[in-house]
Amino acid sequence: DAEITQSPRHKITETGRQVTLACHQTWNHNNMFWYRQDLGHGLRLIHYSYGVQDTNKGEVSDGYSVSRSNTEDLPLTLESAASSQTSVYFCASSDSAYYEQYFGPGTRLTVT
Amino acid sequence: AQSVSQHNHHVILSEAASLELGCNYSYGGTVNLFWYVQYPGQHLQLLLKYFSGDPLVKGIKGFEAEFIKSKFSFNLRKPSVQWSDTAEYFCAVNAPTSGTYKYIFGTGTRLKVLA
Repeated sequence: DAEITQSPRHKITETGRQVTLACHQTWNHNNMFWYRQDLGHGLRLIHYSYGVQDTNKGEVSDGYSVSRSNTEDLPLTLESAASSQTSVYFCASSDSAYYEQYFGPGTRLTVT
Repeated sequence: AQSVSQHNHHVILSEAASLELGCNYSYGGTVNLFWYVQYPGQHLQLLLKYFSGDPLVKGIKGFEAEFIKSKFSFNLRKPSVQWSDTAEYFCAVNAPTSGTYKYIFGTGTRLKVLA
């Protein structure tokens, strides 16, 4: 069955370190998204991609970057981790920007 | 700016009670509407969706939602909740923006069902 996987599932890092969260989907979807989930804020879009070599900023993109070199993967990089980036991160994909999104299991990141 | 409002942040119900969760959006054009559910410790999954046609949409696990265009609302309902419905529920709107579609999520409603 097609799926989205995220790794690691849990990560503790120190302030100032670079961190990369992996997202891999086997749906063969063109569209991929990264969200962060925080209490009281719901899901907020960080970055998204509509295809290989395409990346776009979401509403909370500062301090994050993504790259899309193939259809299956959209890694999220925190350039210099900050305590404000402690959150749960979800990756999602969709067949079309028009349709529903399929979510991965999430990565819980703690920045100390 | 487009937005999605979920006015009930926390809801506590007893089993067999009826449920209605509110969702309002601000966008004047054609939208696609979704409800997602996140069970404790799990990822979000689609509960139901509305694109067009019958404004009363039926989803999984006995949930339904009604699209009322004049009220910009897409409220989620279930006649009789179960303990297993304890979860967080997110309303989402997909609206055309600058030649593509933009997804906007509400802040979520945490439902606790007491056995």
